[in-house]
Amino acid sequence: GQNIDQPTEMTATEGAIVQINCTYQTSGFNGLFWYQQHAGEAPTFLSYNVLDGLEEKGRFSSFLSRSKGYSYLLLKELQMKDSASYLCAFYSGGYQKVTFGTGTKLQVIP
Amino acid sequence: DTAVSQTPKYLVTQMGNDKSIKCEQNLGHDTMYWYKQDSKKFLKIMFSYNNKELIINETVPNRFSPKSPDKAHLNLHINSLELGDSAVYFCASSHADRGYGYTFGSGTRLTVV
Repeated sequence: GQNIDQPTEMTATEGAIVQINCTYQTSGFNGLFWYQQHAGEAPTFLSYNVLDGLEEKGRFSSFLSRSKGYSYLLLKELQMKDSASYLCAFYSGGYQKVTFGTGTKLQVIP
Repeated sequence: DTAVSQTPKYLVTQMGNDKSIKCEQNLGHDTMYWYKQDSKKFLKIMFSYNNKELIINETVPNRFSPKSPDKAHLNLHINSLELGDSAVYFCASSHADRGYGYTFGSGTRLTVV
């Protein structure tokens, strides 16, 4: 079947680095997304990994290991505004079907 | 502004009523979606249309009927609303290049009383 696991909640300190892990199981895997969702708002696209390795975008980086069914989102120089839920999602099969995990609620504290 | 816009933002209605949520995107995307996010924040796909053609239809009660008059619009009609339908419904669209991800609308918070 299809499954995504990520921690429910995490807390980190302003200015620090935090890594949010995601493991997944699916057939026909095509790629992995990370989205950010602030409370009461829509999810916004952060990254998309297709190949193994690390992709960096400013303070955010995303890593993928297809053989291990594993990804992580790395947030550097944390800011208070980074407090949000981070959703891991994989793209599988045809017709752009994206399956989301339940998200990791990150709280950044001073 | 280029965006995915959905209306209404809030919808409170009684059990048994029929309601519609509208969605429009001006991004030129070919594919549009309806997602449901429940109280536990789980975002689950309901439907997807590509160029007005239904391509994803997950296990959703047939009280839910999507309609796509053109590729820029995807509306959701819900008949005989039930308490369990209370959730936030997000419309989204995507570019043919998956690397750009989805663009979501601001959501419609449906409360059935």
